[in-house]
Amino acid sequence: AQSVTQLGSHVSVSEGALVLLRCNYSSSVPPYLFWYVQYPNQGLQLLLKYTSAATLVKGINGFEAEFKKSETSFHLTKPSAHMSDAAEYFCAVSDGGATNKLIFGTGTLLAVQP
Amino acid sequence: GAVVSQHPSWVICKSGTSVKIECRSLDFQATTMFWYRQFPKQSLMLMATSNEGSKATYEQGVEKDKFLINHASLTLSTLTVTSAHPEDSSFYICSARDAGGSGELFFGEGSRLTVL
Repeated sequence: AQSVTQLGSHVSVSEGALVLLRCNYSSSVPPYLFWYVQYPNQGLQLLLKYTSAATLVKGINGFEAEFKKSETSFHLTKPSAHMSDAAEYFCAVSDGGATNKLIFGTGTLLAVQP
Repeated sequence: GAVVSQHPSWVICKSGTSVKIECRSLDFQATTMFWYRQFPKQSLMLMATSNEGSKATYEQGVEKDKFLINHASLTLSTLTVTSAHPEDSSFYICSARDAGGSGELFFGEGSRLTVL
């Protein structure tokens, strides 16, 4: 079975500060890993994904994540937070197989202070 | 990018009635669609996998008779909440997999159901 754990349900940073959202995964097969962002009352938007290619993945809006197998982690970072980054962020894992089901973490609400 | 549209975006109904939510892939074909449920300030819980032309596969604990899923075409899946009760109030989100492209999943905007 696959699962993801997001440490910290709430993270608050100042505008311009580093954003670090943590995600650890558990998978018995090589995982496919994803980060999604959700704005209030909206669906999910894909930020970036890891599918066994480069371990450092760059996504949209200046976000990136690094796959570390030894640490079973896929933390999301952004060098400088913007007010518009305030949203809920979800880490997700799939086995990349035929069903391609996504299993989501519990989410991290990012607040950006002016 | 590809677009997945859900309708209605919000609906209020009386207890005991049934509500249908549509999920459409607008510019791609989706042999597989997924239905998620999200409670306030919580994560998305996978309810079922919908495959075009066959029965949906439900996750453990999800009542198939309560949440009817139909995937009659490559661009449309529907979720019907039958005999809705207040505890069914939630945000329902669908996603569709692009069968012809990268296999990437695209998400709808979600449908908020409130049962009075």
